[in-house]
Order: sequence, then C-alpha cells, then structure tokens
Amino acid sequence: AQSVTQLDSHVSVSEGTPVLLRCNYSSSYSPSLFWYVQHPNKGLQLLLKYTSAATLVKGINGFEAEFKKSETSFHLTKPSAHMSDAAEYFCVVSDRNQLTFGKGTKLSVIP
Amino acid sequence: ETGVTQTPRHLVMGMTNKKSLKCEQHLGHNAMYWYKQSAKKPLELMFVYSLEERVENNSVPSRFSPECPNSSHLFLHLHTLQPEDSALYLCASSQDRDTYTYEQYFGPGTRLTVT
Repeated sequence: AQSVTQLDSHVSVSEGTPVLLRCNYSSSYSPSLFWYVQHPNKGLQLLLKYTSAATLVKGINGFEAEFKKSETSFHLTKPSAHMSDAAEYFCVVSDRNQLTFGKGTKLSVIP
Repeated sequence: ETGVTQTPRHLVMGMTNKKSLKCEQHLGHNAMYWYKQSAKKPLELMFVYSLEERVENNSVPSRFSPECPNSSHLFLHLHTLQPEDSALYLCASSQDRDTYTYEQYFGPGTRLTVT
C-alpha cells in the first residue's frame, strides 16, 4: 500500500521569497514520485519526477525537489516565488500500477 | 497540456439527462485514464484503458460508463447522475500503463454540475 501526505493545505509567500511545499510518502516498494501543478480551470501539469536516479530533481519553472529516503520526504522548493506560481500543487507517488495523489497544497503569492 | 483535449469544458445537466464527455490525446500514447476531482478530496481514479482495453474500474457506479473506441479517444457516458457527482472530470494519457516510468499528461477537464 502507498500513501501521500501533503503537510500544508495552504501556503502563502511574498513574491521573491523562497517556496517550500512539504510532502511525505509511504510505499512498500522503491517508489517513483512526482509533483504536478494545477492552475485555476486547468488540468494538471507535470513539474518534475523522481525515478531512483539523482535524489535532487530539477523541474520546470525553477522548481526542484529532493528525495530523502530516510525521512520519506519529497519536498518541493523554489528559491524565489513569482506571481505566476500561484496555483495548487500535488505530490504523487507511484508503485508501477497506480498513482496516489496527495490532497494538494494551494500556494498564494503576495505582491 | 495541449496534447490532451477535453470537450465540453463545462456541462450542466439534470439528474434524468444523458450526456457524454469526450477526451482526445494527440501524443501517440497507449494508456488513457478518467479521474474525478472533487473539492477537498484527492484525485480519484475512475477508469484505466490500455491499448483500448479496460484494465481497471475502481468501484465506479454504473451510471458512469466509459468507452474507448481507439487509442486516441476516450468517452465517459453519463446517465441518471446525482448532485454529488458534480466535480471536475479529468482525462489523462501516458505512453504505457507502467506509472512508475511514464508520467501522465492531463487534459483541462470538464466541470460538471448536476442539478
């Protein structure tokens, strides 16, 4: 069985400050992990994925995430928030046959 | 995102109506999915098709009926829905059924309201 916990339902940051969106997972296998972003009235867009290669994964739009097996975490970060980053972010774990989605973290960016 | 299209984008239907949602992928993928996204809940996988064959049905009520006529098209036929079925319905596709290796690409969704 696998599960995903996104620790914050809502995060608010000022423009130009760092972003940290937290995700913890559990899995019976060595999982692959994804972060997706969903802007209002849009579908989900893949930001980045981890599949047992480098533990620090770089994605689109300046986002990156670090896989920490000992902490079962896959937190998403960005050094400097932009207004266009305001959206909902989903952490996702896969065990080969099915994706399990977190409940999402809504990111607000204050000008 | 533009690789997967969905129509209509918005749909309002009464509980006695019959309607269909359409999804088309232009990516040459072999697997397609229907998800339901409700407020405050994680995405729920409804159906999975691989090479036009249904491989998974996650205990979805029979008032939802999927159809996959070819690897590029996926439909969700709706009839006698309930108000709690109001949600965003997302279609996705991936190169292969193996979700460990292949990421899924999502369409923009159909916002369904059942009155």
